[in-house]
Amino acid sequence: DVKVTQSSRYLVKRTGEKVFLECVQDMDHENMFWYRQDPGLGLRLIYFSYDVKMKEKGDIPEGYSVSREKKERFSLILESASTNQTSMYLCASSVPSGLAGGTGELFFGEGSRLTVL
Amino acid sequence: SQQGEEDPQALSIQEGENATMNCSYKTSINNLQWYRQNSGRGLVHLILIRSNEREKHSGRLRVTLDTSKKSSSLLITASRAADTASYFCATGSGYALNFGKGTSLLVTP
Repeated sequence: DVKVTQSSRYLVKRTGEKVFLECVQDMDHENMFWYRQDPGLGLRLIYFSYDVKMKEKGDIPEGYSVSREKKERFSLILESASTNQTSMYLCASSVPSGLAGGTGELFFGEGSRLTVL
Repeated sequence: SQQGEEDPQALSIQEGENATMNCSYKTSINNLQWYRQNSGRGLVHLILIRSNEREKHSGRLRVTLDTSKKSSSLLITASRAADTASYFCATGSGYALNFGKGTSLLVTP
């Protein structure tokens, strides 16, 4: 079975702390993504990566950075956590969808619910 | 970003009835995908329809795509209480997918 594993389901951090959210996939997928999900706003793309050491900004990258040193691991970093970063964070991976272009099916982790106090 | 928009925002039906959700988007796409999310969990992929396809079936799911109207619909037939979840459409033409805000489906016994 394909699997995307997020290191923590629930985290509570204090304002100003540095926060690491880890995501590991075991499917040898090229593409990996970080989204955040908030009530009424749906899923918003923070960053994605289409290869090791490659990263691209999504729609809301401010306040976040990412690291992809190995193909299977994609980390989201909050350099200095703020209360407005309280959210559900979802990691996903995929392969390209082939000749038709675009991205194929995304496989999601179970999510990491972060609360910043 | 080319975000899809689902309609309705919420839908309540009884078991055995059909549920139809719609998605509209704004720009050209390579494919459109539908996902399901149970409360507090990650999203699960349901079906992918390519831009050159008009209809696709998977079990009790039927998806249509009308690229001229930039819209798609997801039909769940003979719904069950276990179908209670949020459903999202996702569109993209590059590496990443953009998701709508979802339709919350409640199926009551």
